[in-house]
Amino acid sequence: KQEVTQIPAALSVPEGENLVLNCSFTDSAIYNLQWFRQDPGKGLTSLLLIQSSQREQTSGRLNASLDKSSGRSTLYIAASQPGDSATYLCAAQGGSEKLVFGKGTKLTVNP
Amino acid sequence: NAGVTQTPKFQVLKTGQSMTLQCAQDMNHNSMYWYRQDPGMGLRLIYYSASEGTTDKGEVPNGYNVSRLNKREFSLRLESAAPSQTSVYFCASSEGSRPNYGYTFGSGTRLTVV
Repeated sequence: KQEVTQIPAALSVPEGENLVLNCSFTDSAIYNLQWFRQDPGKGLTSLLLIQSSQREQTSGRLNASLDKSSGRSTLYIAASQPGDSATYLCAAQGGSEKLVFGKGTKLTVNP
Repeated sequence: NAGVTQTPKFQVLKTGQSMTLQCAQDMNHNSMYWYRQDPGMGLRLIYYSASEGTTDKGEVPNGYNVSRLNKREFSLRLESAAPSQTSVYFCASSEGSRPNYGYTFGSGTRLTVV
């Protein structure tokens, strides 16, 4: 059974800092790894999808990497802003073709 | 705006009452999903529908039923609500059940069972 873990559970940084969020998964036989953002009281917004054949994906200040062999993915946020404050969720899509989510990292960027 | 629409946004039920959560998408997606989100537990899949006319159980299906009414709509029914079903429910859709299709989520239904 796939298990997805995100560390740390919460992170607080000053504005302008570069940061890395970590995601690990137990079953490396995945089709893709997805990163989502969730604002308080809101739904999930898709940020990046990395296919199993890819090593990374970039969107603006966000860069996500994938290392299937080690069961790890990272989300790099450059030059963080207060508007980046949210909970970030990673999810692995595997053989069952359904997403398995981590519990998220709550990010606070302080002005 | 195109997307996934969930109704209602908030609901309070008494134990034993029944209700149906509605979900509709206008992106012509084939697959639809119901998740629940609880503090400390993350999102867990309740039921999903890979295509119109098919439904399958997810990780936590007990106490729920679903109906894929047509390609656009996927409803979740609680026949006899219990306090353990207090949660935030999210509906999602994707273009297909094959991998590498991104998911689109609704804004959620916050359900409290007293």
